[in-house]
Amino acid sequence: RKEVEQDPGPFNVPEGATVAFNCTYSNSASQSFFWYRQDCRKEPKLLMSVYSSGNEDGRFTAQLNRASQYISLLIRDSKLSDSATYLCVVNSPDSSASKIIFGSGTRLSIRP
Amino acid sequence: ETGVTQSPTHLIKTRGQQVTLRCSSQSGHNTVSWYQQALGQGPQFIFQYYREEENGRGNFPPRFSGLQFPNYSSELNVNALELDDSALYLCASSHYSPLGAKNIQYFGAGTRLSVL
Repeated sequence: RKEVEQDPGPFNVPEGATVAFNCTYSNSASQSFFWYRQDCRKEPKLLMSVYSSGNEDGRFTAQLNRASQYISLLIRDSKLSDSATYLCVVNSPDSSASKIIFGSGTRLSIRP
Repeated sequence: ETGVTQSPTHLIKTRGQQVTLRCSSQSGHNTVSWYQQALGQGPQFIFQYYREEENGRGNFPPRFSGLQFPNYSSELNVNALELDDSALYLCASSHYSPLGAKNIQYFGAGTRLSVL
């Protein structure tokens, strides 16, 4: 089982739709969680951190479920510019060090 | 822009050669992480350097090694290059705290390595 798993998609949705992605992680001791966005042939950029209580940033809402070991990202009123690959990132302890695990990404394509 | 710079942007090597990639971290950051990203995959964690010492390593063989310098810049060295090493190599800087800071990664634009 992969340490961080995402549905690879692609998700192809019309502009204005609501779309949600899930990401599961295997290490129950994982400490911090993020969603990154990566455009084609570009570097990943932080979209938002994910907090235990859930957090919202404009049209984007992130949730963490520690009991079931998954995080989610909800995008409301999707825009053409939201087309990208969304990467789930989990920061897990590895003995005394830190280990950062990326999911393989979920591709999202917004159509007019 | 993140303030993280990588060089070179592109590189072509042949199998068996050695390569050194460089990364300058964002001002105020004390940690550099390196990732390998193959086409269509998420970035794979190679290792992280904190205060000039390795602070975590992914599932990469010893021929992948690194350094961090007192100014927090870093190098990734790969010996005995193999065809499968062809990928985008990403460097990310962050401010790491053992007390549990969120360790948000800020990425450079990457070095695209092709091994022929």
